[in-house]
Amino acid sequence: AQSVTQLDSHVSVSEGTPVLLRCNYSSSYSPSLFWYVQHPNKGLQLLLKYTSAATLVKGINGFEAEFKKSETSFHLTKPSAHMSDAAEYFCVVSSLNDYKLSFGAGTTVTVRA
Amino acid sequence: EAGVAQSPRYKIIEKRQSVAFWCNPISGHATLYWYQQILGQGPKLLIQFQNNGVVDDSQLPKDRFSAERLKGVDSTLKIQPAKLEDSAVYLCASSRPGGTGELFFGEGSRLTVL
Repeated sequence: AQSVTQLDSHVSVSEGTPVLLRCNYSSSYSPSLFWYVQHPNKGLQLLLKYTSAATLVKGINGFEAEFKKSETSFHLTKPSAHMSDAAEYFCVVSSLNDYKLSFGAGTTVTVRA
Repeated sequence: EAGVAQSPRYKIIEKRQSVAFWCNPISGHATLYWYQQILGQGPKLLIQFQNNGVVDDSQLPKDRFSAERLKGVDSTLKIQPAKLEDSAVYLCASSRPGGTGELFFGEGSRLTVL
């Protein structure tokens, strides 16, 4: 069984300041981990993924995430938030044996001017 | 490459009516998924196809929901009869064979049941 917990349902930051979205996972197998972003009325877009290679993963739009097995975490960060980063973010875990995905409940990011 | 196509984008129906959503995945993607996303929640898997076979439909309310992927390409999700609690965005996604689990999503079909 696998699951994901996103520790913050809502994060508000000022433009130009760092963003941190926290995600903890549980998985019986070696997991693949993903962060997806969903802008209003749009489908989900992949930000980045971890698939057992480098533990620090760089994604699109300046986002990166670090896989920490000892802490079962996969937190998403960006050094400087932009207004266009306002969206819903989902942390997702997948097991390589069946590719079933488990989604977190999501974190809503608002960016203040 | 063309993305995952879904239609209609929006649908409003009365309860007890029926509705159908269509999805055309990315060419060559063998696995197709239908997710239900209720406002304020993460997507929930309804059904997963591998080619034209069902891999997982454990969370599909089979008394009212049905889905098919007859030729292993496009897929249709039907709800009959609809209930108020079916109001949601229905997302279709596909993935390539042997991939790392990355899904490619369509923009979704938003259903409102009155």
